[in-house]
Amino acid sequence: NAGVTQTPKFRILKIGQSMTLQCTQDMNHNYMYWYRQDPGMGLKLIYYSVGAGITDKGEVPNGYNVSRSTTEDFPLRLELAAPSQTSVYFCASSWDRTPNQPQHFGDGTRLSIL
Amino acid sequence: AQTVTQSQPEMSVQEAETVTLSCTYDTSESDYYLFWYKQPPSRQMILVIRQEAYKQQNATENRFSVNFQKAAKSFSLKISDSQLGDAAMYFCAYRGPYGNKLVFGAGTILRVKS
Repeated sequence: NAGVTQTPKFRILKIGQSMTLQCTQDMNHNYMYWYRQDPGMGLKLIYYSVGAGITDKGEVPNGYNVSRSTTEDFPLRLELAAPSQTSVYFCASSWDRTPNQPQHFGDGTRLSIL
Repeated sequence: AQTVTQSQPEMSVQEAETVTLSCTYDTSESDYYLFWYKQPPSRQMILVIRQEAYKQQNATENRFSVNFQKAAKSFSLKISDSQLGDAAMYFCAYRGPYGNKLVFGAGTILRVKS
């Protein structure tokens, strides 16, 4: 049972480069989320999606874009990488909007912008 | 906006003893959901326990229990019979009645001494 899978696990980018962080889940969850975790801090929501074709901004969306063309996949794109985007990125999913359902997290992607 | 505060950046406990991690939150909602997540060095985010605000009974999961004080907006986590595997970063998180987003505290590092 794979759950939420994120790739890559680590990446180093140069300032101004672009890349896409991949996230896929095999639990048929309709809700998916992207968080970033800065050193010594809690997670902050970047974007989320309540279903295929529907996305919305979270707390810290600037510098990122997302798409949700399928239920399984929710990629996060950085267009012009900046040092402030150095962080660990987590993708998560949940079954439905019932608030007591836990979010299932991937193992994270550690991204460094130099 | 809702906020979650964890006032203890770091805690230590002797193996087999009990430790309590503190969490307070701010919300104007009467119905909401609270969670404790564990993040070991592997970076996985693991759900430890959850509490629904409309339930007066404190949630318990084996060695983990909470002290939920709704009027005080407090949600502490008690770990009994601490084990070396409990060493991790612990995050308190809030989720409102209608939203799909988790609001995280900054986390508490728990160290377990043998």
